[in-house]
Amino acid sequence: EPEVTQTPSHQVTQMGQEVILRCVPISNHLYFYWYRQILGQKVEFLVSFYNNEISEKSEIFDDQFSVERPDGSNFTLKIRSTKLEDSAMYFCAIRDRGNQPQHFGDGTRLSIL
Amino acid sequence: KQEVTQIPAALSVPEGENLVLNCSFTDSAIYNLQWFRQDPGKGLTSLLLIQSSQREQTSGRLNASLDKSSGRSTLYIAASQPGDSATYLCAVKESGGSNYKLTFGKGTLLTVNP
Repeated sequence: EPEVTQTPSHQVTQMGQEVILRCVPISNHLYFYWYRQILGQKVEFLVSFYNNEISEKSEIFDDQFSVERPDGSNFTLKIRSTKLEDSAMYFCAIRDRGNQPQHFGDGTRLSIL
Repeated sequence: KQEVTQIPAALSVPEGENLVLNCSFTDSAIYNLQWFRQDPGKGLTSLLLIQSSQREQTSGRLNASLDKSSGRSTLYIAASQPGDSATYLCAVKESGGSNYKLTFGKGTLLTVNP
């Protein structure tokens, strides 16, 4: 049973539209992450989230991206105005305290037309 | 900037063979290294986590080693099975900071033929 559930599994959106990707951990965790994987390329770090705020973000995570955990369970990634190059698999990951591994969800495939 | 490289990019073996996947990283100041398995269209399944102070970790038929000073890790799979077919990724977490950002390699696509 996965520790993290991501919805939707596939999202198709017109360029310029806003999208919200959701991540629901099964139980409480301390650290939350978003990564993306463009087809045929490496998995890339986007952002980490701890104690209800962003703790680190990459160059990819520009002003078009935002994250939040509004109700203490769902963890969301919003892309305000999507571009063709945002097409990718987006993975949510969680981690607990200490030297624990990160656990990933099955991802959301985002296709921008 | 940390770079992670995995060799080979693809590997095809007959069932039952023992095999080794390689991972190298440019900055040896890592906190730990994690091996993942990725099935087509699926997420990443964590296989093994090796702390920087450890030399190896074992789980079932999998054994991962770490040579931090030379910037290398290997994943050894014993008695391979068709169900082992997947892409294997390694990822490192650099020392410093507490956010556990992972830097990934591109992966090795493993095919085990029955």
